[in-house]
Amino acid sequence: QVQLQQWGAGLLKPSETLSLTCAVSGGSFSAYNWGWIRQSPRKGLEWIGEINHSGSTITYNPSLKSRVTISVDTSKNQFSLKVDSVTAADTAVYYCASSRGALPYWGQGTLVTVSS
Amino acid sequence: EIVLTQSPGTLSLSPGERATLSCRASQSVSSSYLAWYQQKAGQAPRLLIYAASSRTTGVPDRFSGSASGSDFTLTISRLEPEDFGVYYCQHYGSSARTFGQGTTVEIK
Repeated sequence: QVQLQQWGAGLLKPSETLSLTCAVSGGSFSAYNWGWIRQSPRKGLEWIGEINHSGSTITYNPSLKSRVTISVDTSKNQFSLKVDSVTAADTAVYYCASSRGALPYWGQGTLVTVSS
Repeated sequence: EIVLTQSPGTLSLSPGERATLSCRASQSVSSSYLAWYQQKAGQAPRLLIYAASSRTTGVPDRFSGSASGSDFTLTISRLEPEDFGVYYCQHYGSSARTFGQGTTVEIK
């Protein structure tokens, strides 16, 4: 059973960089792509992007692409999300997930609040 | 970008009743790339159905999915108390994956 454990800073000021990491255990890291999704009352569930297990293919939501970076550390079975220049509109619960297009396994979620 | 519109917004039903949830895509999409999720308060979404009609391992057979053109349906044949929550559809057939806004299934 694949398990995802995520962590990162939960309170940011405007213009700072959001940084989250997700560790994968209990399954084959190479069997999935790995993605990030966020959820807010304003926009509902929003797919941010995903990366394949080797890091050779990365796909981003076009609306966020200019500010988002997803990377992978295959030696640790971890992947990460960075969002630059955050604003209040980036306040949301952020989830990591395994991906085969559909998303079978999810992390526990991290509430990220952007406030001055 | 494909927009998914779910209806109704809220479904008020009693345990044992049948629930029918709709998800309509703004343009033609392949049924191979439509998923349904269940979310309960304070939890991450749970994948129920992928490829429009395939149940994930462990999902009870009272959950079923179907497709007709750009219209997708999730049916819960007989609601159990644990089935109440919010349901989302998701399209994953293009590089820009999108979710519907959700249907809340609440106890009447």
